[in-house]
Amino acid sequence: KAGVTQTPRYLIKTRGQQVTLSCSPISGHRSVSWYQQTPGQGLQFLFEYFSETQRNKGNFPGRFSGRQFSNSRSEMNVSTLELGDSALYLCASSLARWGPEGDNEQFFGPGTRLTVL
Amino acid sequence: ELKVEQNPLFLSMQEGKNYTIYCNYSTTSDRLYWYRQDPGKSLESLFVLLSNGAVKQEGRLMASLDTKARLSTLHITAAVHDLSATYFCAVDKIGSSNTGKLIFGQGTTLQVKP
Repeated sequence: KAGVTQTPRYLIKTRGQQVTLSCSPISGHRSVSWYQQTPGQGLQFLFEYFSETQRNKGNFPGRFSGRQFSNSRSEMNVSTLELGDSALYLCASSLARWGPEGDNEQFFGPGTRLTVL
Repeated sequence: ELKVEQNPLFLSMQEGKNYTIYCNYSTTSDRLYWYRQDPGKSLESLFVLLSNGAVKQEGRLMASLDTKARLSTLHITAAVHDLSATYFCAVDKIGSSNTGKLIFGQGTTLQVKP
């Protein structure tokens, strides 16, 4: 079974530009979550999508947005890039089993490393 | 607000030794996860702990959960160099405001020396 894939793997942008990152979840997974990883702040939750709906959002400015398509693939967009947006952006997918006996084990993609100059 | 703290943050150990990484969380959570991250790589799922007293083992790693103490431990037995990585614990809670959201600890970087 193919894992989570993310494209591109590396990006270099300049301040003020915008960027779109793509994520394809594991087949059958309908939930996609995005995280930002930096040395200073660690792993921080950005947002989660399920069935094309954003169900949860972390404490990030409105410059960070995302969407999910009917095939569960997801994209995130960052507009007006700032130096502090340089990070590893990780996408994770899960079966989103929320019942008492279920788990929300998330499987992570390889990440997109964004550098803002 | 749910917070997760790991200690130690850095651990240098000799091959063959045993050690434990601790993960404390601030409020009741529903599930606890352990992940491994190699330098420059993504996160690999190691364990999912669902209930109080849960214990899971894989090779030289064993994870346990004490929900009353809000504590999980990751025990390393007879460490080998291949275990060198950063280990993260994470928790989540059932509820609309927490859907799909994992709260991560700071990570523990393990360095196993020959």
